[in-house]
Amino acid sequence: EVQLVESGGGLVQPGGSLRLSCAASGFTFSSYWMSWVRQAPGMGLECVANINQDGSEKYYVDSMKGRFTISRDNAKNSLYLQMNSLRAEDTAVYYCARDSVLPVWGQGTTVTVSS
Amino acid sequence: DIVLTQSPGTLSLSPGERATLSCRASQSVSSSFFAWYQQKPGQTPSLLIYGASNRAAGIPDRFSGSGSGTDFTLTISRLEPEDFAVYYCQQYGSSPYSFGQGTKLEIK
Repeated sequence: EVQLVESGGGLVQPGGSLRLSCAASGFTFSSYWMSWVRQAPGMGLECVANINQDGSEKYYVDSMKGRFTISRDNAKNSLYLQMNSLRAEDTAVYYCARDSVLPVWGQGTTVTVSS
Repeated sequence: DIVLTQSPGTLSLSPGERATLSCRASQSVSSSFFAWYQQKPGQTPSLLIYGASNRAAGIPDRFSGSGSGTDFTLTISRLEPEDFAVYYCQQYGSSPYSFGQGTKLEIK
């Protein structure tokens, strides 16, 4: 069964850092582009970043450039999102996604930025 | 960057009616990497349509997707009570990926 499981969310103070992880199983992880998507409370869906199969290409939405870093470890079948200088507006559910013709999403992990 | 604009923002219809939701892209997108999602309150978005016109597993045939280039449509042929939700389009063929702002389908 194809599965993506996010972890690492939690409560963090403004200006703090957090590293999200996504564990992939049931498919050849190294063959797919992957991405992070987020949804703030009461808001729409927003693409955060995406990465190619070997990690050599990375793209970010402008508002997250310089603060967020997407990476992957194909040996561990894992995707990561390092989030620095967090702001209240980064509070959201963060989803990991497989960017295939038939996309697959995880269930999400919640990040709350608050003092 | 590609901007997706969904219309209308809110659609008020009655069960049994036909719903037509539109998603327009600021430039041509790959149909292979175009999807529609449904989200009900408090739930994770669920995949409805992928590849612009393919229904995901378990999606009833009253849902259909069409379009190419810059104009895409999600049609629900006969609304059931469980179909009232928010619908999002997404393109993930050109980085950075993008979503539409959503169409809320509400009961009239």
